[in-house]
Amino acid sequence: QSALTQPASVSGSPGQSITISCTGTSSDVGGYNYVSWYQQHPGKAPKLMIYDVSNRPSGVSNRFSGSKSGNTASLTISGLQAEDEADYYCSSYTSSSTYVVFGGGTKLTVL
Amino acid sequence: QVQLVQSGAEVKKPGSSVKVSCKASGGTFSSYTISWVRQAPGQGLEWMGRIIPILGIANYAQKFQGRVTITADKSTSTAYMELSSLRSEDTAVYYCARDDGGKGSPFDYWGQGTLVTVSS
Repeated sequence: QSALTQPASVSGSPGQSITISCTGTSSDVGGYNYVSWYQQHPGKAPKLMIYDVSNRPSGVSNRFSGSKSGNTASLTISGLQAEDEADYYCSSYTSSSTYVVFGGGTKLTVL
Repeated sequence: QVQLVQSGAEVKKPGSSVKVSCKASGGTFSSYTISWVRQAPGQGLEWMGRIIPILGIANYAQKFQGRVTITADKSTSTAYMELSSLRSEDTAVYYCARDDGGKGSPFDYWGQGTLVTVSS
């Protein structure tokens, strides 16, 4: 059981927008603006897509955006493209000794 | 450009130990933190622990306390993760990942992953 809760799967058609949620507690997501999102294609290492809730690293498409409200963070992908089909993981700094916790991952299917 | 290159796949017997390496190039090895994250087949990501090479200080997730040791060799810019008393549930891909050492810093570079298979 992962520390952060994500939906197991989401889907959308090309050109549409989807949102993936990530729910934690006041000890992690709700307590700090240190939420990151990672994209992982099959057999590949995770890739950082969003950090500090809503910041994009250089080179990441502006179709990816992040936000947070209370204990829930969200990743929105607009203008869905076939190459967006992947697993997405959220993570957060936590005040516990674990230091960082991950969500269980969400499989995005582009229909 | 930072690059993290990990050692190759391993097959281990239950009860044995495994040591995985992660060699960094680009950037300044001692100025950042290396974490180890594992992913069991078909499962999510799990943080195991990290090391601050410049200080040689490591801290570990409670789940792995006593079974994992993370070290770093500044002279070769290489971090190591040793996991002992292996059991079948430790079969996973093990990744090293870098962050800049700040509170809540994201993992901006990842190794390619090392598959560790525990089987009798």
